[in-house]
Amino acid sequence: DIQMTQSPSSLSASVGDRVTITCRASQSISNFLNWYQQKPGKVPDLLIYAASSLQSGVPSRFSGSGSGTEFTLTISSLQPEDFATYYCQQSYNTPITFGQGTRLEIK
Amino acid sequence: QITLKESGPTLVKPTQTLTLTCTFSGFSLSTSGVGVGWLRQPPGKALEWLALIYWDDDKRYNASLKNRLTITKDTSKNQVVLTMTNVDPVDTATYYCVHRQANSMVRGVPNWYDPWGQGTLVIVST
Repeated sequence: DIQMTQSPSSLSASVGDRVTITCRASQSISNFLNWYQQKPGKVPDLLIYAASSLQSGVPSRFSGSGSGTEFTLTISSLQPEDFATYYCQQSYNTPITFGQGTRLEIK
Repeated sequence: QITLKESGPTLVKPTQTLTLTCTFSGFSLSTSGVGVGWLRQPPGKALEWLALIYWDDDKRYNASLKNRLTITKDTSKNQVVLTMTNVDPVDTATYYCVHRQANSMVRGVPNWYDPWGQGTLVIVST
């Protein structure tokens, strides 16, 4: 199975900050990497697919980059509604696997 | 507009078989490239992928669940059913069905899950 490791596991930041979350795969997954946002008690929402494509309707302050084994999700200027948990997911092969999540909290 | 909705029991006893149904609209599971999957999330924990069924009835499972899972589709009813045998309290989780999306009908291309169903909480307890 491909292991997905996110860092950090949790992060405190302020509104307006630039934030970067890293996701590493245990083997190369090309650009088969997606990012989801989950707010407490809510369903995960797709933010970024294929490593760097912004899902329709997602604010442009979100961006993704990377290929191979290392990927990043960047929020250019944090907004109050961005405080949530973020998951990376590889879709390179089955079993599909997710990172353990990064909880983004208000400082 | 694509929608999915999970249904099934909220409470299941250990050793029983859990049957969950995903009823969807806005797409057909007979269309090339389409897939529907199941994932779960124990309370306070990360997401875990369970199974996926493709338009051509190809099925993929998470082997870590040791052959406890079966996924089937009923194209005429727009439904996908997941059964899990011999449930245990560790199977307590919110179960989600998802629509697999990609920019191509073929396999082996980047794909992602969107949208998700609202999720259904399943508690395994005596």
